Amino acid sequence: AQSVTQLGSHVSVSEGALVLLRCNYSSSVPPYLFWYVQYPNQGLQLLLKYTTGATLVKGINGFEAEFKKSETSFHLTKPSAHMSDAAEYFCAVSDQGGSEKLVFGKGTKLTVNP
Amino acid sequence: DTAVSQTPKYLVTQMGNDKSIKCEQNLGHDTMYWYKQDSKKFLKIMFSYNNKELIINETVPNRFSPKSPDKAHLNLHINSLELGDSAVYFCASSPWRGNEQFFGPGTRLTVL
Repeated sequence: AQSVTQLGSHVSVSEGALVLLRCNYSSSVPPYLFWYVQYPNQGLQLLLKYTTGATLVKGINGFEAEFKKSETSFHLTKPSAHMSDAAEYFCAVSDQGGSEKLVFGKGTKLTVNP
Repeated sequence: DTAVSQTPKYLVTQMGNDKSIKCEQNLGHDTMYWYKQDSKKFLKIMFSYNNKELIINETVPNRFSPKSPDKAHLNLHINSLELGDSAVYFCASSPWRGNEQFFGPGTRLTVL
């Protein structure tokens, strides 16, 4: 069974500082990996995804993530935080061409301080 | 145009009532999903349909019944609502065996 662990339910950074949100996954088959963002009272928006190929993936709003198979990790980073980045971030995993369901981590709430 | 839409956005009802949430997507996708987000923000798959056929049915009480009249619509009917059903319900869609799901804005259900 697949699972996702997001380390840190709350992360707080200063505006302009590096954002690092951690995600580790467990999967018996090659995974697809995703980061979604949820702003207050809104749905989920895809930030970026890893399917195959290049392990460093770039997404919207300046975010990127690196797939590290040996570490079973898919951490999300952004060099410089903006106030508008404050939101809940979810890491998710699915089978490649499998059941298609997304298995989500418990989320990390990012706070950006002025 | 909204890609994945849900109605209603808010739903407040009494225990024991029956209610429905509707979902429509205009993306031409074959696969649609229902997810539940609890009060701690945890998201979990409930159901998935591909071209009107049920393909995922997680451990969900029988009081929840999805219905897909066509591949652009997936509705969720809930019988005998309980306090624990209070949550945000998200609809999503994707191409069949695609690798990205598009989410609707959610329906916040409150059972009193």
